[in-house]
This record gives sequence, C-alpha cells and structure tokens, in this order.
Amino acid sequence: DAGVTQSPTHLIKTRGQQVTLRCSPKSGHDTVSWYQQALGQGPQFIFQYYEEEERQRGNFPDRFSGHQFPNYSSELNVNALLLGDSALYLCASSFVTGGEQYFGPGTRLTVT
Amino acid sequence: QQQVKQSPQSLIVQKGGIPIINCAYENTAFDYFPWYQQFPGKGPALLIAIRPDVSEKKEGRFTISFNKSAKQFSLHIMDSQPGDSATYFCAASKVGGYQKVTFGIGTKLQVIP
Repeated sequence: DAGVTQSPTHLIKTRGQQVTLRCSPKSGHDTVSWYQQALGQGPQFIFQYYEEEERQRGNFPDRFSGHQFPNYSSELNVNALLLGDSALYLCASSFVTGGEQYFGPGTRLTVT
Repeated sequence: QQQVKQSPQSLIVQKGGIPIINCAYENTAFDYFPWYQQFPGKGPALLIAIRPDVSEKKEGRFTISFNKSAKQFSLHIMDSQPGDSATYFCAASKVGGYQKVTFGIGTKLQVIP
C-alpha cells in the first residue's frame, strides 16, 4: 500500500515565477492538507481539501491556492514567488472522520 | 502567534539516557496531542498521541505525560539509542472534522553512542 507521494522532490524557481506541487494521498484517504516547513521550524498549516473544496485555511496569502481532484489527489499552486517561499512543502492525507494524518516526504522549493 | 510552545530546541544525550521534551499549548479547544518524529529528508511520522482525558501513555520506549490543568505535555524517551536521533515535534489539534494540526518549533535530538 503506497503512502503519501509528492512530486517533484526538489524544485528551483526564480522570484516572480509560479509553481505547482502535486500530492497523491494514501490509499483510501479522502482529505488532503498542505503544510509549509521553513528551515528549522515546525510545519505551518496552509489549507485542507475535502470533496474538491477548500475546507480550512491557515494564515497564508491568496498567492497560495490549491485544488483537489475527483481521485483525491491534490495540487498546491504558489504565484508570484518570493524568496521567503523557500521551504519544504508537505502534503498530508487523512480521513475526514478523523484519525492520523500521514505525511509525504515533501517537495523542497528553493526560490532564487 | 505560537499556539504550541516547545522546548528545548536542541538536546544531546548519551546512549541509554532519557531525553525529555516539553510542550505547552494555549487553545483549550485542542483535544488531540500527537508527537511526530522527522528524519532528514523525510516527512514527519506519527510517533505517539494522547487525548486530554489520560495523564500518561506509553508505547514501547516512548511515554507522553499530560497535565491538562497546566496545559502542558511532555515526551520521554527511555533507553535512548543513536537511531532515535531526529527532530521531534509536539502538536495539537481537534479530533475529527477538518483536522488542522498545529506544530511546535521542534527539538533536534542527538543521541551519542
């Protein structure tokens, strides 16, 4: 049973560009959450998707947007990249009814 | 606003020692307190979790102590091993529904052989 998978593993972008990160949840999970983990910090909640709709959002600007597809996979989009967006972006999946969130290995984004 | 405060940020112990990591939370609506272990290049993995109706929970060498009135909880690692060297995060959330997990800043643990 595959766990949470994310792609790409690493990504280098230039300030002002746009980026799309992808996540496939653990088999059977219906809810996907995205987190940003800056170096030396704990993960910060960006938003959560269930039934293809954003259900909760953390304190992140509108430059951060997402999407969930009918197969429960998800994308995170970041527009107008800033240097401060450099971080490890983590995807986590779970059941909407509760239980453990399983994290993927993350995508390391570097903005130059 | 740091809703979950974690200390220390780094910890070095000898093999066999008992590292202790402490956390405090502010939001009394939290009712689920997990601890995550993260190795370099990996995502966080759930280690052990506790609900506020329990004061202590043990799983193998890992023990959580919980003090609801003080809004504090801690992780003890018994007989620590070099393989336990990792970053540990305490966290808090509400059970069920759209679960948003709030993490502490993390504690980088190094267990010296």
